[in-house]
Amino acid sequence: GQSLEQPSEVTAVEGAIVQINCTYQTSGFYGLSWYQQHDGGAPTFLSYNALDGLEETGRFSSFLSRSDSYGYLLLQELQMKDSASYFCAVQDRDTGRRALTFGSGTRLQVQP
Amino acid sequence: EAGVTQFPSHSVIEKGQTVTLRCDPISGHDNLYWYRRVMGKEIKFLLHFVKESKQDESGMPNNRFLAERTGGTYSTLKVQPAELEDSGVYFCASSSNTGHEQYFGPGTRLTVT
Repeated sequence: GQSLEQPSEVTAVEGAIVQINCTYQTSGFYGLSWYQQHDGGAPTFLSYNALDGLEETGRFSSFLSRSDSYGYLLLQELQMKDSASYFCAVQDRDTGRRALTFGSGTRLQVQP
Repeated sequence: EAGVTQFPSHSVIEKGQTVTLRCDPISGHDNLYWYRRVMGKEIKFLLHFVKESKQDESGMPNNRFLAERTGGTYSTLKVQPAELEDSGVYFCASSSNTGHEQYFGPGTRLTVT
């Protein structure tokens, strides 16, 4: 089976940096994805890490440590529009399943 | 390029009734997924189509749920008869055979009263 843990809520101020952590347990790791979901909206893909290290895409970066079964999403220069829920997700390599298993989500609130 | 679309956006039905949700994936995407998010909980996988074939239906909760993808294009998810615990937001997603990104639709909010 697979399980992921991430904090339920994070609050930060505009312009700050915030890190959302995710730890996972899976029988066959195939990469860690991050999705953003605004209230009432569709989950939107942010990033994917298959190898250890940091991937940067604009203000967002994602990090993975396979040996620690741990990753994080780093959001810089926070803007009000970044207020949303953020989900980490994995796929199961052992079974070849492409289905995503999601964490319970971290609700980020950006304050002025 | 049009994104994933879902219909209806909202549906309110009574317990015991039937509801059919529709998903139109991105054109050319062989992979189509159904997910569900129950209030306050994580997004959970229901099933995965590759073209018209069910590749993985391990997440389907019970036999009241029936998914089809005739012709390998759009998909429907029927709930019959609906129960209170079926309430939630049903998301459809699609992906190509390469790449890791799944493209999600806006969801159908189902309320069973």
